Amino acid sequence: GQNIDQPTEMTATEGAIVQINCTYQTSGFNGLFWYQQHAGEAPTFLSYNVLDGLEEKGRFSSFLSRSKGYSYLLLKELQMKDSASYLCAVFTGGGNKLTFGTGTQLKVEL
Amino acid sequence: NAGVTQTPKFQVLKTGQSMTLQCAQDMNHEYMSWYRQDPGMGLRLIHYSVGAGITDQGEVPNGYNVSRSTTEDFPLRLLSAAPSQTSVYFCASSTSDATTNEKLFFGSGTQLSVL
Repeated sequence: GQNIDQPTEMTATEGAIVQINCTYQTSGFNGLFWYQQHAGEAPTFLSYNVLDGLEEKGRFSSFLSRSKGYSYLLLKELQMKDSASYLCAVFTGGGNKLTFGTGTQLKVEL
Repeated sequence: NAGVTQTPKFQVLKTGQSMTLQCAQDMNHEYMSWYRQDPGMGLRLIHYSVGAGITDQGEVPNGYNVSRSTTEDFPLRLLSAAPSQTSVYFCASSTSDATTNEKLFFGSGTQLSVL
């Protein structure tokens, strides 16, 4: 079976740094995605990791450790617009087979 | 550039009714899929297609049918709606099922309520 775990909710302060963790146990692994989803909207792509290590893209970074089944998304210089749900998804095989976690609802406060 | 277009945005059905959710993409993507999103459950794959004429089941296919007669269109049919199918539905597409960074492009979603 597939199992992806993320914290349900997190709260952080504007301007701060927050780390959202994701652990996974899946049958097959071909990469890990992070998506951002604002309330009432579609998910949008943030990052993709297939090799171990850190991928940096502006204020957002994503880390992967395949041996530990672990990833995190790091958001720096938080802004109010970063309040959203962050979805961890593992690509397990053919045909768009992305298995999603339940998402982490991030609230950014003043 | 429209991307992935889903219609309708909202729909209310009575138990037992049938309907089709439309999905079209203009990016010439080979791969298309349907997900449903429920509170506390995350996005779950219903059906997917790797190209015109080819479809397959995902994690939660029961009660849904799909077809892929063209590269552009991938409609989702609810055969006999049930309250358990109340959900938000997303269509998604991507260029290929590769091990590269082939991210999914999502449609804007359809909020379906079955009474």
